[in-house]
Amino acid sequence: SQQGEEDPQALSIQEGENATMNCSYKTSINNLQWYRQNSGRGLVHLILIRSNEREKHSGRLRVTLDTSKKSSSLLITASRAADTASYFCATDTLTGGGNKLTFGTGTQLKVEL
Amino acid sequence: DAGITQSPRYKITETGRQVTLMCHQTWSHSYMFWYRQDLGHGLRLIYYSAAADITDKGEVPDGYVVSRSKTENFPLTLESATRSQTSVYFCASTEGARQPQHFGDGTRLSIL
Repeated sequence: SQQGEEDPQALSIQEGENATMNCSYKTSINNLQWYRQNSGRGLVHLILIRSNEREKHSGRLRVTLDTSKKSSSLLITASRAADTASYFCATDTLTGGGNKLTFGTGTQLKVEL
Repeated sequence: DAGITQSPRYKITETGRQVTLMCHQTWSHSYMFWYRQDLGHGLRLIYYSAAADITDKGEVPDGYVVSRSKTENFPLTLESATRSQTSVYFCASTEGARQPQHFGDGTRLSIL
């Protein structure tokens, strides 16, 4: 069963525009993480936000977390063609144990020149 | 180079055969994980290990076997492969609880 659901499933934008992806989850979390996956490669960790944090920045990335709505968003500002990838949210749930993460199905982002 | 390495990158086999996917990490991370990635399902956890000789089932463990005799290696075995196990398999590791995971580049497995 999926803990996280990303929205939209696919997103196509022009270079320089901002891209926003959303993630909703079902059960209480310890933290929420975002990962990027380039075609044919493994996932790469982007950012981790803890349940007591509301917003976090890393370079051109901004992540928000609303635990009351059980949702998170990832904003990529001034997008580049190299940002083309799939983006996944992953939740570390309070009941999961053992550092297990539950991944959503991902958002496919295409940034066109 | 430090990192996490999966082998082989591609594998084609037949139903009923045994196949082992290898995973090796050079960080001495305690935790290691095996996931499968299928269209429409995202990544699903097959098995994980908190330390050498400690393994536990994930969401979809049926048909798979793991072992962890050394901290750096975490092989995944399909004892009798079925077509439903055609997938891309990812290994990951992390140094401790509640930390980001580091992924290998995956093994694309096709079972005919």
